[in-house]
Amino acid sequence: EIVLTQSPATLSLSPGERATLSCGASHSVSSSYLAWYQQKPGLAPRLLIYDASSRATGVPDRFSGSGSGTGFTLTISRLEPEDCAVYYCQQYGSSPWTFGQGTKVEIK
Amino acid sequence: QVQLQESGPGLVKPSQTLSLTCTVSGGSISSGGYYWSWIRQHPGKGLEWIGYIYYSGSTYYNPSLKSRVTISVDTSKNQFSLKLSSVTAADTAVYYCAGRGPGLGGGGDYWGQGTLVTVSS
Repeated sequence: EIVLTQSPATLSLSPGERATLSCGASHSVSSSYLAWYQQKPGLAPRLLIYDASSRATGVPDRFSGSGSGTGFTLTISRLEPEDCAVYYCQQYGSSPWTFGQGTKVEIK
Repeated sequence: QVQLQESGPGLVKPSQTLSLTCTVSGGSISSGGYYWSWIRQHPGKGLEWIGYIYYSGSTYYNPSLKSRVTISVDTSKNQFSLKLSSVTAADTAVYYCAGRGPGLGGGGDYWGQGTLVTVSS
């Protein structure tokens, strides 16, 4: 099983600042099958990034993903108030599929 | 556009079996290359992947739940289902059904709105 470790647990930044979220994998993620999700309270997760670096349909271009192997990053280039949420990484290259524990992004 | 909707009891007694159904609309559940999953989220916690059933019928379950989980498909109703046996209060969670495909890559990703299941006598 691939264990995903996200850091930091909480990120508190001001609007317009750059947010960098990390996801480390215990083993290499096959074919860079790694996704990033955004979840707001009471809602289902929303896909932001798939295959490590591809932006999902309708996702603003301030969200970008990078990385391969065992290290991945989600970057929000200029934080907006509506980006306040919990962000999860998920790998789907090896079964069982697994999620990271999440990073909470707070807007000051 | 593929849409998913969970249904089932919101309250289950301890030691009983939790049963949920996910109805897929806007596409065929038998379409090649699709993975149909269940994910749960304990109150205030992160996401836990329960398992999936591939369009071919093959399944894979989270090892931590494998002894209690069954995921199946009813192609005639365009639905897939989750059964979790011998539930305890620790199984209280919001349960989501989700679909990925066709294939693992490409970004096809669909989620239901989630349904809260409480285990209590």
